[in-house]
Amino acid sequence: DIQMTQSPSTLSASVGDRVTITCRASQSISSWLAWYQQKPGKAPKLLIYKASSLESGVPSRFSGSGSGTEFTLTISSLQPDDFATYYCQQYNSRETFGQGTKVEIK
Amino acid sequence: QVTLRESGPALVKPTQTLTLTCTFSGFSLITSGMCVSWIRQPPGKALEWLARIDWDDDTNYSTSLKTRLTISKDTSKNLVVLTMTNMDPVDTATYYCARTTHRGTERVYFDYWGQGTLVTVSS
Repeated sequence: DIQMTQSPSTLSASVGDRVTITCRASQSISSWLAWYQQKPGKAPKLLIYKASSLESGVPSRFSGSGSGTEFTLTISSLQPDDFATYYCQQYNSRETFGQGTKVEIK
Repeated sequence: QVTLRESGPALVKPTQTLTLTCTFSGFSLITSGMCVSWIRQPPGKALEWLARIDWDDDTNYSTSLKTRLTISKDTSKNLVVLTMTNMDPVDTATYYCARTTHRGTERVYFDYWGQGTLVTVSS
């Protein structure tokens, strides 16, 4: 099975900061990667699919990049609504999620 | 408008079989490219994908849980059912169903989710 490893596990940041989360796959997954945002008590929300395609309605401050085994999610200017947990997910071979990155207020 | 809603018991005993139903609207599972998956999340932990059923009846399961899982669909009633046998307290989690669709030639995963249902395994 393909393993997904996110770093960091927790990130402390301030409003306005540029934030980058990394996701590494245990083998190449081409660009078959999605990113989700989850807030406490809520279902995850799709942000990015196919590594860099922004889901409709998602603010443009979110962007994704990468291919093969290394991927990043970037928030260009962190907003109060962005404090949440973020998950990557591969869909090259079945589906696997990363362990999550919590973005908290510094 | 696409919606999904999970239903099932809130409490099951160890060794029992769990049956969860995902009832959806706004799309059809006979449409080419459509899929519904089950995903779970233990309290305070990460998401774990469990199973998927496709529009063409193809099914896929988590390698670690495949001996315990069965996913099926009833397209006339717009629902997907997941059964998980031999439940254990470690299976305590919020269980979600989510849709996968196609946009053009691309598969887009989990664009819509249910609100989740918490299942506790305890005697």
